[in-house]
Amino acid sequence: RKEVEQDPGPFNVPEGATVAFNCTYSNSASQSFFWYRQDCRKEPKLLMSVYSSGNEDGRFTAQLNRASQYISLLIRDSKLSDSATYLCVALNTPLVFGKGTRLSVIA
Amino acid sequence: DVKVTQSSRYLVKRTGEKVFLECVQDMDHENMFWYRQDPGLGLRLIYFSYDVKMKEKGDIPEGYSVSREKKERFSLILESASTNQTSMYLCASSLIRGSYEQYFGPGTRLTVT
Repeated sequence: RKEVEQDPGPFNVPEGATVAFNCTYSNSASQSFFWYRQDCRKEPKLLMSVYSSGNEDGRFTAQLNRASQYISLLIRDSKLSDSATYLCVALNTPLVFGKGTRLSVIA
Repeated sequence: DVKVTQSSRYLVKRTGEKVFLECVQDMDHENMFWYRQDPGLGLRLIYFSYDVKMKEKGDIPEGYSVSREKKERFSLILESASTNQTSMYLCASSLIRGSYEQYFGPGTRLTVT
């Protein structure tokens, strides 16, 4: 099975900061990637898809770099409510989940 | 909204007991999955199913079995619970094979004493 690696964190950032997470994948044949978000004591939920051309959704930007085999998630103007674990996911059958990166946004 | 429900939020069982974890989804999804999630280890896939009466092993199937007699229901069975099976168990479903969006249930925190 393909492997997806993430820095577990935690990333502790002040409100308003910009924070970026990276995720690397080992199989160059992997085609599609996604970010899921998991709040504390809750289930994971799809956050956004990742495209080579970049995908922006409000304060969140996801990017895929195929040459270096990594995926990134950028969060601008961090809010307290962004505190969660962010899971990098490769589209395989079935999905391959990274172990997650924990973000804490501090007031 | 898709809803995935799990039979219990918290469960305490003794070593050696047979344990059933039930999962039901209400959106006619073809695929269903069972994961366990432990600190530092992330989500690990136990078993999955792409159709009724079909099952496939995930990454850590040892000590577990599953049953899918109806499309909406996927059961995880611990034949003889052990303390190393204490974990958070998450069920998920997705529409078709190759779907990238999985819908998760709220999880069952199982403690085996």
